[in-house]
Amino acid sequence: DTGVSQDPRHKITKRGQNVTFRCDPISEHNRLYWYRQTLGQGPEFLTYFQNEAQLEKSRLLSDRFSAERPKGSFSTLEIQRTEQGDSAMYLCASSVPGQGGEQYFGPGTRLTVT
Amino acid sequence: GQSLEQPSEVTAVEGAIVQINCTYQTSGFYGLSWYQQHDGGAPTFLSYNALDGLEETGRFSSFLSRSDSYGYLLLQELQMKDSASYFCAVRQAGTALIFGKGTTLSVSS
Repeated sequence: DTGVSQDPRHKITKRGQNVTFRCDPISEHNRLYWYRQTLGQGPEFLTYFQNEAQLEKSRLLSDRFSAERPKGSFSTLEIQRTEQGDSAMYLCASSVPGQGGEQYFGPGTRLTVT
Repeated sequence: GQSLEQPSEVTAVEGAIVQINCTYQTSGFYGLSWYQQHDGGAPTFLSYNALDGLEETGRFSSFLSRSDSYGYLLLQELQMKDSASYFCAVRQAGTALIFGKGTTLSVSS
């Protein structure tokens, strides 16, 4: 257990529905990251926050995806109008400033879109 | 484009030494990280090299050559519990990590 928690751990939804995931990072970590991982692949970067500011978004992140970190603590990732191609493990990670190479991952939320 | 290349699979026996190589081509480079991931688990941090040379942490060591865009993870005294996927990841400007596809290590007795 790294201290990063994610909720829910599993989500099954029908195509076209909206879903929201939550991540609680390690409390003293001000950087928070979202990644997506599909079977047989490495994690794919989606976006990251420093405190409440969203500083970087992957060009792969479509406008159906939105992330927030309103108080610089927990973060949410919302996917609107889900598609079957969104089925994946969504991972959250956190780190301290200056140590971005050392990220601590949560257990992930596995999304299945039917 | 950006790419990280690492072998897809490596097999070894308990007690052996194995080296997992990683070559990269990325726009912007701050350092190279290594992560371990067991089936069904989350990636866990192993090491990070920002400068050329060898970093040692217990049974694991990691090496970086920035001029060759190359690094490796060395695992010594292999144990069954080391069977997992190992990912190299480049830290770019900002703090985004770009991961390779991973190397599946199978350790047998």
